Amino acid sequence: DTEVTQTPKHLVMGMTNKKSLKCEQHMGHRAMYWYKQKAKKPPELMFVYSYEKLSINESVPSRFSPECPNSSLLNLHLHALQPEDSALYLCASSQETRGTEAFFGQGTRLTVV
Amino acid sequence: GENVEQHPSTLSVQEGDSAVIKCTYSDSASNYFPWYKQELGKGPQLIIDIRSNVGEKKDQRIAVTLNKTAKHFSLHITETQPEDSAVYFCAASVGGTALIFGKGTTLSVSS
Repeated sequence: DTEVTQTPKHLVMGMTNKKSLKCEQHMGHRAMYWYKQKAKKPPELMFVYSYEKLSINESVPSRFSPECPNSSLLNLHLHALQPEDSALYLCASSQETRGTEAFFGQGTRLTVV
Repeated sequence: GENVEQHPSTLSVQEGDSAVIKCTYSDSASNYFPWYKQELGKGPQLIIDIRSNVGEKKDQRIAVTLNKTAKHFSLHITETQPEDSAVYFCAASVGGTALIFGKGTTLSVSS
């Protein structure tokens, strides 16, 4: 099983809303990632969690707040987003951060209105 | 930091032809090079990968080659089929960091 499950699949939110994206994996992976992907662009790294601790934050604005409640779950809390934050948000996991296969979820298509 | 260049940005082939996509990386410490296929509306799917201690790897119609000296790696797809049409991304991982992606290649296979 190489499945990473993301919910919801689609999300429309206003600029004053608070919402959360969820990601789950049951492969025993200890590294989890959030990527942002704009149309016709490659995924851009946002955050890396290793053993449930935030290890990389790629200078992401504070309106994006990650959380790793346990080794299987990863959340991304959203608050006061801008229309330019509309994108596909991808979660991925891998056994370790060091050169191991990373598996992606199907993503959450976020639209900020 | 690591930088990954990918060419071409678009590639059109006839069914049955071969397709080659090339990537170069900048950091000689990079040690893991996966390739992902992304279909419309879906997340990237890992299709093949290679590590820095190997020069070539093959899986049915797909192969990847790595030239560490020149710092480039390539994806080869033989006997292409319409279902191979997608966006392909190369990536590189320096030990202990997450993946850095190339800009992607849109492959179109016409029957």
